[in-house]
Amino acid sequence: GEQVEQLPSSLIVQEGASVLINCSYTDSASVYFPWYKQEPGKRLQFIIDIRSNMERKQNQRLTLLFDKKTKHLSLHITATQPGDSAIYFCSASNDYAQGLTFGLGTRVSVFP
Amino acid sequence: EAAVTQSPRSKVAVTGGKVTLSCHQTNNHDYMYWYRQDTGHGLRLIHYSYVADSTEKGDIPDGYKASRPSQENFSLILELASLSQTAVYFCASSGQGTQNTLYFGAGTRLSVL
Repeated sequence: GEQVEQLPSSLIVQEGASVLINCSYTDSASVYFPWYKQEPGKRLQFIIDIRSNMERKQNQRLTLLFDKKTKHLSLHITATQPGDSAIYFCSASNDYAQGLTFGLGTRVSVFP
Repeated sequence: EAAVTQSPRSKVAVTGGKVTLSCHQTNNHDYMYWYRQDTGHGLRLIHYSYVADSTEKGDIPDGYKASRPSQENFSLILELASLSQTAVYFCASSGQGTQNTLYFGAGTRLSVL
């Protein structure tokens, strides 16, 4: 089945800096890649997604890049704020099975 | 107001006992899911359902049953709880199709002693 790997597992940045989270997957049949954010003590929340027919998607301070050839995604967060401190999850799904396969998450800590 | 509500929010159970985790959604979604979250394993799919009175196995269904008595409600049942089932459990709902956003509940922290 699909396997999703995220790197790094954790990172610490100062407020205002940028963050880059890398994600790779194994199943070439995966076509949809949503990302979720889990703030401390809160539920997972959808933040951005991309489909396999796209290369780039931006939502305010979030930019998601997708490389179908290398099966690689990267999430770039600019101008970080303390409120960006959370665990970020990459996930993948295909057209024939229900549910998402999640990576282990990247814990981002933003200090003022 | 939260559209996916889980109960209880935390529970301590004894090994061999029966545990039922409940989930209620007001999103009018057809699909509902149960995931477990463990340190080092991320989130893994246990069971899901796309219609009332029907459930499907996910990636790690062993030791779990699911029940979908109505569109709004989805339960996860541990008939004989074991230590290895200590985890945080998340319920989620989504619309039809495989490329839809999941809306998660707040989670249930289960400790089996």
